[in-house]
Amino acid sequence: EVQLVESGGGLVQPGGSLRLSCVASGFTFRSYWMNWVRQAPGKGLEWVANINQDGTQIAYVDSVKGRFTTSRDNPQNSLYLQMNSLRAEDTGVYYCVRDLSGGASYWGQGSLVTVSS
Amino acid sequence: QSVLTQPPSASGTPGQRVTISCSGSSSNIGSKTVNWYQQLPGAAPKLLIFTNAQRPSGVPDRFSGSKSGTSASLAISGLQSEDEADYYCAAWDDSLKSYVFGSGTKVTVL
Repeated sequence: EVQLVESGGGLVQPGGSLRLSCVASGFTFRSYWMNWVRQAPGKGLEWVANINQDGTQIAYVDSVKGRFTTSRDNPQNSLYLQMNSLRAEDTGVYYCVRDLSGGASYWGQGSLVTVSS
Repeated sequence: QSVLTQPPSASGTPGQRVTISCSGSSSNIGSKTVNWYQQLPGAAPKLLIFTNAQRPSGVPDRFSGSKSGTSASLAISGLQSEDEADYYCAAWDDSLKSYVFGSGTKVTVL
């Protein structure tokens, strides 16, 4: 069974940092592009970042460039999102997603990040 | 302001057909494939349609997708109560170098 389990969310003050993790199981993690997608409370979906199979191609939405960094550890079947200089508008549920634009797309249950003083 | 435009809401009675539109541009829908995602209340999104019109295994055939030019559509035929959810279209945008989502359409079964 495919599983994506996110962790690391929580409450952080503006300007602070958090590191999200996503552990994959039930499929060959190293074979897929991986993505982060977020959803602000009561709002729609926003793509945040993606990373290719070996970590050599990475892209970010403009609003997080220079502040967020995604990476992966294939032997550990893990995806990471390091979030620095957090702002109130970064608040939301962050989803780890396999193959977002393809036919094998699968979403984790999400991790809530709240940026507030 | 979403790059892909969807109506905020759609509704129908059980058994009816509901169609959701998704309007984009030449840099996204016009040149890239479209996916549709279903988000049930309180749940994570799930892939409903990929590559414009393909259904993943397990998705009922009453869900269908189509694309023409810079627009795409999702149709739900034989509407059921469990179809009450938010529906999002999405595609890669070559100009923005980003994956973009529609604003979402809330489907209500009357």
